[in-house]
Amino acid sequence: GAGVSQSPSNKVTEKGKDVELRCDPISGHTALYWYRQRLGQGLEFLIYFQGNSAPDKSGLPSDRFSAERTGESVSTLTIQRTQQEDSAVYLCASSRAQGYGYTFGSGTRLTVV
Amino acid sequence: TQLLEQSPQFLSIQEGENLTVYCNSSSVFSSLQWYRQEPGEGPVLLVTVVTGGEVKKLKRLTFQFGDARKDSSLHITAAQPGDTGLYLCAGYNDMRFGAGTRLTVKP
Repeated sequence: GAGVSQSPSNKVTEKGKDVELRCDPISGHTALYWYRQRLGQGLEFLIYFQGNSAPDKSGLPSDRFSAERTGESVSTLTIQRTQQEDSAVYLCASSRAQGYGYTFGSGTRLTVV
Repeated sequence: TQLLEQSPQFLSIQEGENLTVYCNSSSVFSSLQWYRQEPGEGPVLLVTVVTGGEVKKLKRLTFQFGDARKDSSLHITAAQPGDTGLYLCAGYNDMRFGAGTRLTVKP
């Protein structure tokens, strides 16, 4: 596609429920990144995928967070047993390869009530 | 991981004023990127600086990469309300961003 697409754009969920966020990167972009942005804050790195290599999960805050990516296509970020502190905007970005400029999606705004 | 420090954290100015924001690190970068994020949107790449001492201009925005490639600055001339946003820097090969400078330009 022309840009990075994220869905849903907004998600309200009850505490304790699982949520799944989706990211469609730009076609041909081998690198894909997930970030979390709390209100008024900067970007917090979560996870990085590069082609078929093992992902860099060093930014995941707890084992309730996981992500998958099939090849160089769609990625899903799953948060299990959501907590109120998980409320944030989750941003996905892709790039031609690590080190090149990122193209970001508009994010998924997650609210845990 | 290369830690990037951005300053100031917040900046509020009147339309027409000039300003400079900074991105500093104790580590050397092979290149550095600047992004601007507007409310409700993802960050958008403004520029990549590669060579120590390099200066790049994008209309009223001037980006400079330090000679030692450890720091960078962004200067905005005659700021406009449309420049309002969060300015972020990111180093090459590092997935982590600075905390950003939140700029507000008042009409």
